[in-house]
Amino acid sequence: DAGITQSPRYKITETGRQVTLMCHQTWSHSYMFWYRQDLGHGLRLIYYSAAADITDKGEVPDGYVVSRSKTENFPLTLESATRSQTSVYFCASEGRPNNEQFFGPGTRLTVL
Amino acid sequence: KQEVTQIPAALSVPEGENLVLNCSFTDSAIYNLQWFRQDPGKGLTSLLLIQSSQREQTSGRLNASLDKSSGRSTLYIAASQPGDSATYLCAVRLGAGGTSYGKLTFGQGTILTVHP
Repeated sequence: DAGITQSPRYKITETGRQVTLMCHQTWSHSYMFWYRQDLGHGLRLIYYSAAADITDKGEVPDGYVVSRSKTENFPLTLESATRSQTSVYFCASEGRPNNEQFFGPGTRLTVL
Repeated sequence: KQEVTQIPAALSVPEGENLVLNCSFTDSAIYNLQWFRQDPGKGLTSLLLIQSSQREQTSGRLNASLDKSSGRSTLYIAASQPGDSATYLCAVRLGAGGTSYGKLTFGQGTILTVHP
């Protein structure tokens, strides 16, 4: 199906483990984004990518790594998970020419 | 730094009522503004997108207006229904020289409850 998908939808991990969240879009949008949503903080941008092999930091990038070898995929890796990274993570992509963003269903991550 | 504020934080109305949600932003040099809906435990659904050159956009019972000079946008929902219950978020994108930076700044949202 066309659209933007995220996997896994739910993940429980332990402090110190590496975790990778996957994001896939079928629109061939150039721009893709990772956000985290927390009570009291709203949605905050972690990283974004303007095209394959082009990524840049957002508001809260520490502790996260991204890559984008293909236009359709934008994985987010927590290199050594911490409890403060417990959150709901949303991936989004943006279409041209009107710059409308579309969001995935989210991944609920719990770090114990 | 762009700041986006949404008022009220929560709103409860009876079914059938017309209502207005407010969004204000501090930097008027925006490229566009997007309204989203988020149901509990779900992702964000794009409702309306207003470009900086536009004054309003309509989709069904929804109408969004934009006043760049005053840094405000409103989302008007006509004849509200229980299915409209959700959190509504506005997000603005800064722009300069006619180009967009692609990064949205979100408000904290308004939690809307429409009771039968």
